[in-house]
Parts: sequence; structure tokens; C-alpha cells
Amino acid sequence: IVMTQSPATLSVSPGDRVTLSCRASQSIGGTLAWYQLKPGQPPRLLIYNTSSRATGLPARFSGSGSGTEFTLTISSLESEDFAVYYCQHYNTWPALYTFGQGTKLEIK
Amino acid sequence: EVQLVESGGGLVQPGRSLRLSCTASGFTFGHFGMSWFRQPPGKGLEWVGLIRSWSYGGAAEYAASVKGRFTISRDDSKNIAYLQMNSLKTVDTAVYYCAKEGASGVLWTDYWGQGTLVTVSS
Repeated sequence: IVMTQSPATLSVSPGDRVTLSCRASQSIGGTLAWYQLKPGQPPRLLIYNTSSRATGLPARFSGSGSGTEFTLTISSLESEDFAVYYCQHYNTWPALYTFGQGTKLEIK
Repeated sequence: EVQLVESGGGLVQPGRSLRLSCTASGFTFGHFGMSWFRQPPGKGLEWVGLIRSWSYGGAAEYAASVKGRFTISRDDSKNIAYLQMNSLKTVDTAVYYCAKEGASGVLWTDYWGQGTLVTVSS
């Protein structure tokens, strides 16, 4: 399974509503997570099982989708949200994780 | 507070071996599977392998790129997961992260360590 994220880079401003896309090459049900990665920090889980929010995640982050099309939405971008975002498919048996190539949010 | 601390990274020559450790605290280590991921310089995230909790058989599984060269093990008495890397190649150069299952038996990972850099170079 290949995970494809778009766009590769998104130039946005604080306060913008942002939608990141992730497409699977075949149906993966709801086994999708989103991570945020900032330089010098470990990846941070945002969303799992397509739409379940990680503990402590601000309400401005939400996930949706099913099958092959998934989105991560940030309702109103804040300065600390500029980062790279990865989607990840996970398969339990056999174990397999597949990441998208990432979408970088940069300041316009 | 959940903490994962990787150690053991460094500079190693191609063909040599290195063992990474992931020391865990703040949760019941034996109840959770542990995964290893890596991020090569300037590239994206890649899964390396995982070891399941003993409740789910305790087996390790690997990405195709490292199968046969890397071995994951765990010592639940010490709260440590290990990544033994043999026959290292230059393409194995990366920051290596360990991560914890979000819940017992599920594969999404909720906590990651800070990572340790492995550089394979002559």
C-alpha cells in the first residue's frame, strides 16, 4: 500500500483553515493516523483510527475520511502548528506501517 | 509521565553492528508492544520493526529493508526494548526512534522517544 500526501508544501497564514490530504493506493478501512513533526522533536500523535483525537490535542485539529481518502483539518492555524505532517497507515496482522511523504506547513 | 529514552547511537563503519536501547518509564512496559522507526537525513519517516507484548505472543516483525539484519528484543524486567543492527549499510543512517503502542494490541503509537542518531560511514 502506498500513501500519498498532498500538497508537499502549503504556504498558509495564522488563522487560516487548513486541509491536508492523504490518499491510500487501496482501501485501508479506518487504520490511519496523523503525526506532527517539528525539528529536534519526536513525532507527536495527533489522530488515530482516522478521527480519534490524541489525549490533549487542541480541538482545532480533526481527522476524517474512509477507504482511500483521508483529511486532517486545522480549523484556525496557530503559530505552533507550522510543522511537517505525516499520515500513516497501520496494519495489525502482519504488522506493517506505511507513511506518506509528508506535508510541510510554512508561513506565507 | 510516559518517557522513552533511546541510547546507543553513534558513528559506525559499514558492515559493523550497533545495538540501540529504548528505556521506558511511566507505564506498565510489559503490557505494550514497542516499535522502532527511523528518519534518514532530509527524508520522511520509515518503520523499522516492532515487538509485541507477551499477551500477543511477544514476536518481532520487521520491515523488508531490515529483515535478516536487524533484531528487536525486549526485557520487561528492565523496561527496555532493544534494536540490534547488524551488517549496517550507509542507507541505514538515520535518527532512530522507539515508540509505544497506543493501547495493548493496537499498532498506532502514542509516545515516541527523542531519537538517537546512527551514522553509518567509513
